[in-house]
Amino acid sequence: DTAVSQTPKYLVTQMGNDKSIKCEQNLGHDTMYWYKQDSKKFLKIMFSYNNKELIINETVPNRFSPKSPDKAHLNLHINSLELGDSAVYFCASSQDRSSTNEKLFFGSGTQLSVL
Amino acid sequence: GDSVTQMEGPVTLSEEAFLTINCTYTATGYPSLFWYVQYPGEGLQLLLKATKADDKGSNKGFEATYRKETTSFHLEKGSVQVSDSAVYFCALSDRGSGNTGKLIFGQGTTLQVKP
Repeated sequence: DTAVSQTPKYLVTQMGNDKSIKCEQNLGHDTMYWYKQDSKKFLKIMFSYNNKELIINETVPNRFSPKSPDKAHLNLHINSLELGDSAVYFCASSQDRSSTNEKLFFGSGTQLSVL
Repeated sequence: GDSVTQMEGPVTLSEEAFLTINCTYTATGYPSLFWYVQYPGEGLQLLLKATKADDKGSNKGFEATYRKETTSFHLEKGSVQVSDSAVYFCALSDRGSGNTGKLIFGQGTTLQVKP
């Protein structure tokens, strides 16, 4: 029973294409996140949703659009993919955004390679 | 803004050696501090945390103490095992973001333990 699952695990695509990464959590959490990890392992938040409401939107190109159909799902759609988008994308969730002591639960990542 | 700085890796140790991974932070106010671990091919997992000054977080033989005077949260383990080989991330909760649950991560430190 995977707590936070994301698909696909690997995604190889050409520049200019549009792709989506899906994320689902079965923990009953209210808050979900997308993080980007670059080739040097540096991890940075992109978006966060709380009960389907966008609460964090970092400086990310508007080619990236998150969508949360319900609080258990947070998908990431990327338009017009560029070489620099190649990275590992992690989905995460937490019970409640209001506590700064919250533990994040991470998915196993989606490795995106743009050729 | 808030930030986290970790020692450069990779750190290579022999089994049963003592481990220290340095972490310092810059923050307004009093953040909570975390260590996350990422095993190969997996997402991050919370290793330990501390929520206020002088708190010590501990788990699986790892320890870290919240030092406000030196703004540090160094990770230590007395005797490492090959199975501890992973990437370790220091992080702080961004209270300046209005309790959004946002974590700011350091750049990660790769630990390699040889038998």
